Amino acid sequence: SQQGEEDPQALSIQEGENATMNCSYKTSINNLQWYRQNSGRGLVHLILIRSNEREKHSGRLRVTLDTSKKSSSLLITASRAADTASYFCATTKGGGNKLTFGTGTQLKVEL
Amino acid sequence: DAGVIQSPRHEVTEMGQEVTLRCKPISGHNSLFWYRQTMMRGLELLIYFNNNVPIDDSGMPEDRFSAKMPNASFSTLKIQPSEPRDSAVYFCASGGTGGSGTTSQTYNEQFFGPGTRLTVL
Repeated sequence: SQQGEEDPQALSIQEGENATMNCSYKTSINNLQWYRQNSGRGLVHLILIRSNEREKHSGRLRVTLDTSKKSSSLLITASRAADTASYFCATTKGGGNKLTFGTGTQLKVEL
Repeated sequence: DAGVIQSPRHEVTEMGQEVTLRCKPISGHNSLFWYRQTMMRGLELLIYFNNNVPIDDSGMPEDRFSAKMPNASFSTLKIQPSEPRDSAVYFCASGGTGGSGTTSQTYNEQFFGPGTRLTVL
């Protein structure tokens, strides 16, 4: 079963609005990462947050991590049509670099 | 850097045929990962290598699947014989420690190739 479960499965918003996606996981982690996948393409790394961090920013992205609740959220501010994609969280645990991916959120940003 | 290179990009074959997917990781990366993505099962890790050695192949579905990494710049994923349920997009990704000259950097993120879309009829 997937380590990470994203919520919602699908999200449709208007350009300029903020988009929030959530990820829950089951076991303790080393770090949590978010990836984007455009239709028909490979995944692209967006941001990484370590288990001892609570919040991280990168451009229009904001990631939070709550290890007590085993959850993370990805906020995309001022969304654009080009942000339309699927977004996946992925976790690593222990000292390895094996990633376990969640089920993904399909984001559609409409003009 | 050209990124992770996969070939072929598309493969259509008939049930029972052998399929070989190829991957060239980013130079200097010492970890290589093979994933399979389907609508039903999402993104699944099949196998990964560190320094050309298979570390975890627990995701390989059956003996029909095999993967090799003969050197740091090349890996193959072979399916034989192929079945219609193997139809999926197969991704290769690389990561680990990379760098040039006297500098090195540990990458926690993975860099994905464009994928191979496999259709088994």
